[in-house]
Amino acid sequence: AQKVTQAQTEISVVEKEDVTLDCVYETRDTTYYLFWYKQPPSGELVFLIRRNSFDEQNEISGRYSWNFQKSTSSFNFTITASQVVDSAVYFCALSEVMNAGKSTFGDGTTLTVKP
Amino acid sequence: NAGVTQTPKFRVLKTGQSMTLLCAQDMNHEYMYWYRQDPGMGLRLIHYSVGEGTTAKGEVPDGYNVSRLKKQNFLLGLESAAPSQTSVYFCASQGLAVYYEQYFGPGTRLTVT
Repeated sequence: AQKVTQAQTEISVVEKEDVTLDCVYETRDTTYYLFWYKQPPSGELVFLIRRNSFDEQNEISGRYSWNFQKSTSSFNFTITASQVVDSAVYFCALSEVMNAGKSTFGDGTTLTVKP
Repeated sequence: NAGVTQTPKFRVLKTGQSMTLLCAQDMNHEYMYWYRQDPGMGLRLIHYSVGEGTTAKGEVPDGYNVSRLKKQNFLLGLESAAPSQTSVYFCASQGLAVYYEQYFGPGTRLTVT
């Protein structure tokens, strides 16, 4: 069965610090997709990034970067030089080809960035 | 495009009352989902649909029913509300491929007293 674990329930940092959010997944499928979503205090969930199981290249988008390591079943998310606007709940999710139409979400990590 | 909309945004029910939450999407998506979000418990899948006229149970389906009579709409019903169903409910939709991301509605905050 597919499973996503975000071991960090809450993280608090001071503005400009770097922070890494961990995501570990379990799957028996060989083809799958991993996602990160952001839920700011306003409540709406917003898609951030997608990665497929065959692409282990790291990705950088501005202050955001993602490190996918198949060997450790991890898809970690790093925010460089954090800002107060990064304060949100971040969810990691997994979709398998064999369970098309059904994603599994982690419990989320609440990030608080203090000024 | 409005994306995914949910009606209502807030609702207070008394125990035993019934209600229906409406989710509508205008992106012609095949897949639609209902989740509930409780503090510290992430998103839990209630029911989902992989196409018009089809529905399936998710992780926590008890006490809820759904219908997908039209492709663009996904209804979530509570026949006899209980305080344990106090939660924030999110609807989402997704295109017909596993690599598509889900688009979420703004949520419905339901309180059952």
